[in-house]
Amino acid sequence: GESVGLHLPTLSVQEGDNSIINCAYSNSASDYFIWYKQESGKGPQFIIDIRSNMDKRQGQRVTVLLNKTVKHLSLQIAATQPGDSAVYFCAENGGYQKVTFGTGTKLQVIP
Amino acid sequence: DGGITQSPKYLFRKEGQNVTLSCEQNLNHDAMYWYRQDPGQGLRLIYYSQIVNDFQKGDIAEGYSVSREKKESFPLTVTSAQKNPTAFYLCASSIARNQPQHFGDGTRLSIL
Repeated sequence: GESVGLHLPTLSVQEGDNSIINCAYSNSASDYFIWYKQESGKGPQFIIDIRSNMDKRQGQRVTVLLNKTVKHLSLQIAATQPGDSAVYFCAENGGYQKVTFGTGTKLQVIP
Repeated sequence: DGGITQSPKYLFRKEGQNVTLSCEQNLNHDAMYWYRQDPGQGLRLIYYSQIVNDFQKGDIAEGYSVSREKKESFPLTVTSAQKNPTAFYLCASSIARNQPQHFGDGTRLSIL
């Protein structure tokens, strides 16, 4: 909702630059990871996912990297655009009741 | 278009009142979920349902109730026992547990 972006770490990026958003996860048993984008007043929107048997997956302008050794996930957005401004959060999935969502990072794109 | 519809977008609750949030999906997904989102926190699971006529408590189920009588529908009731109900409520669905969850656009509940 409108207050989702409050009190979150903020990444400010110049339009056209690449953005990297990081996420640490906690459950070694998680085998599926997802990145979501949430715009103000809306529900989260799926961006890209990755399974634990992979370390990299690419989509359109987005890449997700998974480092299981240090339990770290990152989302790279190429050529960041004003429409990319939103809150981004990761989710780790270890079962129906074991999906843990990160608190999120607010991405601000400077025109 | 397939998707998840939550209604109403805004809801106000009076003291001692139960209110029901609607969630309908036409994605033919078996699993459905209810989350609560508070500022600065990750989504917290209230209830989930893997299949019709079955549902399980999540991490913060106290003061809430659900039903799953139809595959398409998973309404959430916020009861008067929930003492801090002001939040943004999100409904989601997925084909299976290791597939992306698709979210509705939420209901913002406030106290009068």
